[in-house]
Amino acid sequence: AQTVTQSQPEMSVQEAETVTLSCTYDTSENNYYLFWYKQPPSRQMILVIRQEAYKQQNATENRFSVNFQKAAKSFSLKISDSQLGDTAMYFCAFMITGYSTLTFGKGTMLLVSP
Amino acid sequence: GAVVSQHPSWVICKSGTSVKIECRSLDFQATTMFWYRQFPKQSLMLMATSNEGSKATYEQGVEKDKFLINHASLTLSTLTVTSAHPEDSSFYICSASRRTEGKTQYFGPGTRLLVL
Repeated sequence: AQTVTQSQPEMSVQEAETVTLSCTYDTSENNYYLFWYKQPPSRQMILVIRQEAYKQQNATENRFSVNFQKAAKSFSLKISDSQLGDTAMYFCAFMITGYSTLTFGKGTMLLVSP
Repeated sequence: GAVVSQHPSWVICKSGTSVKIECRSLDFQATTMFWYRQFPKQSLMLMATSNEGSKATYEQGVEKDKFLINHASLTLSTLTVTSAHPEDSSFYICSASRRTEGKTQYFGPGTRLLVL
């Protein structure tokens, strides 16, 4: 079975600063996807970034980037130039390639303050 | 693209009644749809997975007769909470995935159900 661990229940950062959210996972699979989703106060789940395990290059989406360390089974999310609208719960998730079921972590609540 | 809608966004009903929630993929055909339940300040809990034209696969502990799922087309899935009771009050979220993009799931905005 796959597990996803987010060790930081809450984090805070000031506007314009950079913050890193951690995520580790455990699996015996070699081919999989990793995701970060955000859930703002509206509770709409939004895909932030996706990483394919076979790709060595770290995924980037504008201010969001990941540090994917496959051997260490680590998948952290870096948010640069934090904005107030980044305030949300962030979930790390895992999916085996070929399947569609997600395994979620417990989430990290990020608060961006002025 | 990859927009998923959910209706209604919130519903209040009396105990013993049934409530139907619709989930639609608006701009893509969803090979698989999922239904989740989320309690306050917790992660998403998968209830069931459904493929178009097939019976849903329920997670352990989820009552099939309580939560009826129908996936009638590639763009529509419905969740019916039958004989709802106050303990069924929760936030229900659907998602849809397609063959491309590694079957990435895209989520609806959720439905808040309150059973009185």
